[in-house]
Amino acid sequence: ETGVTQTPRHLVMGMTNKKSLKCEQHLGHNAMYWYKQSAKKPLELMFVYSLEERVENNSVPSRFSPECPNSSHLFLHLHTLQPEDSALYLCASSQEKRGGEKLFFGSGTQLSVL
Amino acid sequence: DQQVKQNSPSLSVQEGRISILNCDYTNSMFDYFLWYKKYPAEGPTFLISISSIKDKNEDGRFTVFLNKSAKHLSLHIVPSQPGDSAVYFCAASAMGSQGNLIFGKGTKLSVKP
Repeated sequence: ETGVTQTPRHLVMGMTNKKSLKCEQHLGHNAMYWYKQSAKKPLELMFVYSLEERVENNSVPSRFSPECPNSSHLFLHLHTLQPEDSALYLCASSQEKRGGEKLFFGSGTQLSVL
Repeated sequence: DQQVKQNSPSLSVQEGRISILNCDYTNSMFDYFLWYKKYPAEGPTFLISISSIKDKNEDGRFTVFLNKSAKHLSLHIVPSQPGDSAVYFCAASAMGSQGNLIFGKGTKLSVKP
C-alpha cells in the first residue's frame, strides 16, 4: 500500500464515451502527477500539479483533461479517445515538485479504448 | 530521443545468484538516480536511489553503483530471490531544477528457483 489510490483499476470505453479516472493520496504531499505507460515504452509524464496549480502539460492532446480540486485528489477526464490511447495510466505524488523527489505511485488504471 | 536507456528488456537469473541490471543516461545534468520495481497489476514502488556525489549506495540486498564518467548506473541484487521477479525501472532527474523523473523502458527480471 503506497498511500496513493486509483480508481477504477480497469476501464473499457468506446471512442465516443466520456469517463474520468480518479486518484487520491493520503500522504500529505503537495505535488501530484499523471503518467502514461504504453506497451514497450517508458513511463511518459502527462501532467503535474503543485499545490493544486498545473505546472506542466507535456503536449498532451486536449481529449485528456486533468483536474485537481485539492492537494489530495486528482482526476483525469477522458473524452473522444482513440484506440492508441489504450495504456496504463498511473497517478503519483511527491512531497514537493522538484528534482530529487521520490514519487509514490498508485496501482494504475488499465484503459482499453475500443 | 531517450535520455535514460535500459538496453536489456529481460534478464533471467538463478535463485541465490547475483542479478545485475544496467542503465545508461545521456543528460549530464542528471544528478539523482532512482530504481523502481513493478509487479504486474501494481504501480512502480521505489527501491533505492543515489545522488551524483556518491558512487555507491547499499540497502540490504540491493546496491546501486554510479559511474558518472561513463554515464552508467547498475543495480545489483544479491542473493536474488524468486520474489524479486518484477520489472525494474531506472529513473533520473536533476535535483537543482524542477526536473521531472525521466524513466527508462524497464528490464524484466525473472529469478528461477
